[in-house]
Amino acid sequence: ETGVTQSPTHLIKTRGQQVTLRCSSQSGHNTVSWYQQALGQGPQFIFQYYREEENGRGNFPPRFSGLQFPNYSSELNVNALELDDSALYLCASSLEVPGGYTFGSGTRLTVV
Amino acid sequence: QQQVKQSPQSLIVQKGGISIINCAYENTAFDYFPWYQQFPGKGPALLIAIRPDVSEKKEGRFTISFNKSAKQFSLHIMDSQPGDSATYFCAARTENAGNMLTFGGGTRLMVKP
Repeated sequence: ETGVTQSPTHLIKTRGQQVTLRCSSQSGHNTVSWYQQALGQGPQFIFQYYREEENGRGNFPPRFSGLQFPNYSSELNVNALELDDSALYLCASSLEVPGGYTFGSGTRLTVV
Repeated sequence: QQQVKQSPQSLIVQKGGISIINCAYENTAFDYFPWYQQFPGKGPALLIAIRPDVSEKKEGRFTISFNKSAKQFSLHIMDSQPGDSATYFCAARTENAGNMLTFGGGTRLMVKP
């Protein structure tokens, strides 16, 4: 059984650029959630996808968007990057909603 | 308000001692309270979880105590080991918000040998 894999592991972008982060969910899991974890803080919920549709969103602006594909993998897109977007971005998958999460190791995004 | 407050921010315990981390919440609709352990460079991993109809749950050296009336819950790590050194997060979820977890701010635990 494979876990949740995220790519890339690290990324450096310039303010104003756009970035796409990728996540492959654990085998059999059809729900993917994305979290932002700033340094020294707890993760904050960005949004969740269930069967390719967004079905929950946290307090993040529209420049944070996502996709879920038929194989349940997912992308997080962030437009017009700001310095405060620098964080660890975590993807978590679960079987159905609600369900226990399995987190990936995250993508460390640095915006300069 | 959807908030979970966690204390202390950091904790140093001697090997073999008991580590205690506390959390308090405000939203009485929360119905699932997990604890996560996170090592540097890794994502959070589910440690143990409890539902509000139970006052205590124990799994090995880890115990959650839950006080519904006080809206507080805590994690106890018995016989703490250096390998337990990590950051611990409490979290809470309400079923009608899908899988959205509200996390506490985290506790950095160091267990001294």
